[in-house]
Amino acid sequence: DQQVKQNSPSLSVQEGRISILNCDYTNSMFDYFLWYKKYPAEGPTFLISISSIKDKNEDGRFTVFLNKSAKHLSLHIVPSQPGDSAVYFCAASVNPWGKLQFGAGTQVVVTP
Amino acid sequence: NAGVTQTPKFQVLKTGQSMTLQCAQDMNHEYMSWYRQDPGMGLRLIHYSVGAGITDQGEVPNGYNVSRSTTEDFPLRLLSAAPSQTSVYFCASSYARELIGSYNEQFFGPGTRLTVL
Repeated sequence: DQQVKQNSPSLSVQEGRISILNCDYTNSMFDYFLWYKKYPAEGPTFLISISSIKDKNEDGRFTVFLNKSAKHLSLHIVPSQPGDSAVYFCAASVNPWGKLQFGAGTQVVVTP
Repeated sequence: NAGVTQTPKFQVLKTGQSMTLQCAQDMNHEYMSWYRQDPGMGLRLIHYSVGAGITDQGEVPNGYNVSRSTTEDFPLRLLSAAPSQTSVYFCASSYARELIGSYNEQFFGPGTRLTVL
C-alpha cells in the first residue's frame, strides 16, 4: 500500500506564477517530510524538508507547508521559472535519517 | 568530491543472466541504499545498509542481493534477471545520525537504466 500519495501526475504553470504541488500520507508515524526534484537522466536532488514539529519551512522561492491533522503537505514555488520544469517527488520518513517512502511524483512544466 | 557514482549507466540483459550494479560514495556516509524507479510508482526501496557488514531488506528485495564490505561501496546483484526487473536503479547515501529537527538528506547517484529482454 502506498503510504505517500501524489495525486496529480502533472502540473502546467506559466513562468512567474505560483506552482503548488500536493502530497498526502497515511502513516501517522512519519516525522520528516522532504521534496526531491528530478531532471531526466539524472538522480533526484534534495530540495527542501520539514519536520513534524513545524508547519512551514521556507528556502528562497520554495516553501513547504505541513498540516498534520489532515496528513497533507504542499510545496509552493514562487515565482516559477523555466528551470523548475522537472519531476517533483514527495517523501517521508519515520526517523531523522534512513528509509524514505516516496510518492509517485508530479511532472511540472513551466511555460514562458 | 565525486559524490555518489553508479556504473554502468545503461545495461541490457537477457532473461536469466546475472549482473552487478556498482555504487560508490566518497563522503564517508554510513547509510547506503538502493531504489528502483518505475512509472507511476515513485522510488521503492530495495535494500539498505547502515554500515560495513550490515545490510537489510527494503520494500521490494526479491531477486536482488547486496553486500557491504567497505564504507564506500554497495553493489547490487541480480542473480537471475527477469523482465519485471526492467527499471531505473538509483543508489543513495547519507550520514546515519540525527540532526536536531531536521532530516539527514540522502544524496542520489545518476542512476542505471536496466532493460531485461
